[in-house]
Amino acid sequence: AQTVTQSQPEMSVQEAETVTLSCTYDTSESDYYLFWYKQPPSRQMILVIRQEAYKQQNATENRFSVNFQKAAKSFSLKISDSQLGDAAMYFCAYSYTNYGGSQGNLIFGKGTKLSVKP
Amino acid sequence: ETGVTQSPTHLIKTRGQQVTLRCSSQSGHNTVSWYQQALGQGPQFIFQYYREEENGRGNFPPRFSGLQFPNYSSELNVNALELDDSALYLCASSTVLAKKQFFGPGTRLTVL
Repeated sequence: AQTVTQSQPEMSVQEAETVTLSCTYDTSESDYYLFWYKQPPSRQMILVIRQEAYKQQNATENRFSVNFQKAAKSFSLKISDSQLGDAAMYFCAYSYTNYGGSQGNLIFGKGTKLSVKP
Repeated sequence: ETGVTQSPTHLIKTRGQQVTLRCSSQSGHNTVSWYQQALGQGPQFIFQYYREEENGRGNFPPRFSGLQFPNYSSELNVNALELDDSALYLCASSTVLAKKQFFGPGTRLTVL
């Protein structure tokens, strides 16, 4: 069975600094997707970034980038120039690809609570 | 383009009752997934609907059931509520090949 592990329950970063959130996963599939979702106190789960397993290039979205190490089954999120609005729970998630190409369900880690200090 | 909406925002039920939660998918999305998020945990997959048929189910008992309508909106029904059913219920919509799921704001269910 696929699993996602986030080993940092809480992290803290100074405003404008850089922070890295860790995630490891376990799967026997070769075709899958990895995600980082942000959940602020408002509860809405917001997609931050997505990585396709077949792509070697690490995904980047503005201040957010990932370090995808497929062999090590590691998928970390780097937030550069941290802002107060980045404070939230961050969830790492995995999904496989169904036969026919549709996305399977998301499997989430337990989350990392990120605090941003002014 | 409208986002994913869910209703109600909050509700309180007593043990043994039944509840129905509703989700309207994002425009153009034909796949809806439901997740349960207990306090301090990551979301757990309940089931997914595609074109009005169940298209995958997580480790939840049969008293958790669902429907998807022709307009792709969806309902989650929970019978015989238990205290442990207290959680945030999230709905996510997507298209079959989009490889992204967009979440609604959730429904907070409290079972007393």
